[in-house]
Amino acid sequence: DTEVTQTPKHLVMGMTNKKSLKCEQHMGHRAMYWYKQKAKKPPELMFVYSYEKLSINESVPSRFSPECPNSSLLNLHLHALQPEDSALYLCASSQDRTEDTQYFGPGTRLTVL
Amino acid sequence: AQSVSQHNHHVILSEAASLELGCNYSYGGTVNLFWYVQYPGQHLQLLLKYFSGDPLVKGIKGFEAEFIKSKFSFNLRKPSVQWSDTAEYFCAVNPYNNNDMRFGAGTRLTVKP
Repeated sequence: DTEVTQTPKHLVMGMTNKKSLKCEQHMGHRAMYWYKQKAKKPPELMFVYSYEKLSINESVPSRFSPECPNSSLLNLHLHALQPEDSALYLCASSQDRTEDTQYFGPGTRLTVL
Repeated sequence: AQSVSQHNHHVILSEAASLELGCNYSYGGTVNLFWYVQYPGQHLQLLLKYFSGDPLVKGIKGFEAEFIKSKFSFNLRKPSVQWSDTAEYFCAVNPYNNNDMRFGAGTRLTVKP
C-alpha cells in the first residue's frame, strides 16, 4: 500500500479563520513533507519532518504552522491566511530523508477569500 | 542552489507519435532523479527514478529515461504515446543522501486521438 491520504479535499476559508489540513500514511515512513502547488506551477517544498522532528522550513510565513503528532500523521495549521495562499497543498512521505522515493497524497485545494 | 529546467512547456502530439521531454539540472554533486506525472484531477505519481546503476531506466506505462551525467540531463521518452498519456510531467532532483526535492516547471503533454 503506497497511499497517502489528505483531508479535507477542498477547503474555503476567510482571512480571519483558523483551519487545519491533515495528512496520514501507514507505510511506516519516517519522513513527511508539505508542498504548495499553485495552478500550472510545480510543487514547492514548504516543510520536512524527519522522525517527527521539523528538519526543514523553507522560509514559510508563520501563518502556516506544521505539526507532526506521530510518525503517521502530519498536520498543517492555517491562521490569518491571505488570498495569495490559495493553492493545492500536497503532502508526501518517504522511508526516510535520504535517497528514497516520495509518495504524494491527492492534495487539499485551499481557497482563501 | 540546485535547479531543474524543463525546456518544453507544452507539447502536442498525435497518438502513436514518439515523445521526448527534456530535463536538465544544475547541481555539482551526486543526485537522484525522478519523473512524476500528474493526470488531470489526479495526484502526482512516480513514473520512474534513477539512483545509480544503468543510466537507462524503465518506468511504468512504457516510459523510459536516460541519465547523461556529462550533460546533466535526464530526458523522458516513450516510443508511441496514447491519448491517455495526456498529463503534466514533472522532472525532479534531489541531492544524494538528502530528500529535499526540487521540481522543474513541468511540461504539459496533450495527445490528440
